[in-house]
Amino acid sequence: DVKVTQSSRYLVKRTGEKVFLECVQDMDHENMFWYRQDPGLGLRLIYFSYDVKMKEKGDIPEGYSVSREKKERFSLILESASTNQTSMYLCASSSGAGYGYTFGSGTRLTVV
Amino acid sequence: QKEVEQDPGPLSVPEGAIVSLNCTYSNSAFQYFMWYRQYSRKGPELLMYTYSSGNKEDGRFTAQVDKSSKYISLFIRDSQPSDSATYLCAMSAMGRAGSYQLTFGKGTKLSVIP
Repeated sequence: DVKVTQSSRYLVKRTGEKVFLECVQDMDHENMFWYRQDPGLGLRLIYFSYDVKMKEKGDIPEGYSVSREKKERFSLILESASTNQTSMYLCASSSGAGYGYTFGSGTRLTVV
Repeated sequence: QKEVEQDPGPLSVPEGAIVSLNCTYSNSAFQYFMWYRQYSRKGPELLMYTYSSGNKEDGRFTAQVDKSSKYISLFIRDSQPSDSATYLCAMSAMGRAGSYQLTFGKGTKLSVIP
């Protein structure tokens, strides 16, 4: 089974800090995704990547950037964390086939 | 109109009940239809997927797709407290770079009461 590993389960950061969320997958998947999940809003796509060094904006990219230097690793960067970025962040990967993504366990980020 | 509509619930049923979860969609380009289960403070996990209209059964779970009505369902028989979770429907269509991209419903929170 594909494993998608997110480096932290819980993070608490201060407003204005630069925050790095790391995601690693072990099945040579081409595609990787970052979502945030908030009550009542569902999953919202922040950024995705179809290949190394490739990135595409999702629905809510403002305030975020990403990096994909290696195929297995996709990082989400909050350049200057703000309280409205407090959320559950989920990384996912896929082979590109139609039948779904594999998600990591999520990182619960609190910005104070 | 949102591409995928899903009633957020919450839905509360007694143990042993049959549960019906539903989604409607508007995009005819969707080809694969999935159900994810998400336990509290965990990531979603793929429960079932189907490609065409019809039914697919896996143990106590049955996924049903009606493409003509743009309607999908997940049935859970003999529901158990361990089924308590949020269930998200998802659908995929070919996106850029020749890969499928998923569109998710917002999820229905289910509680099965012992």
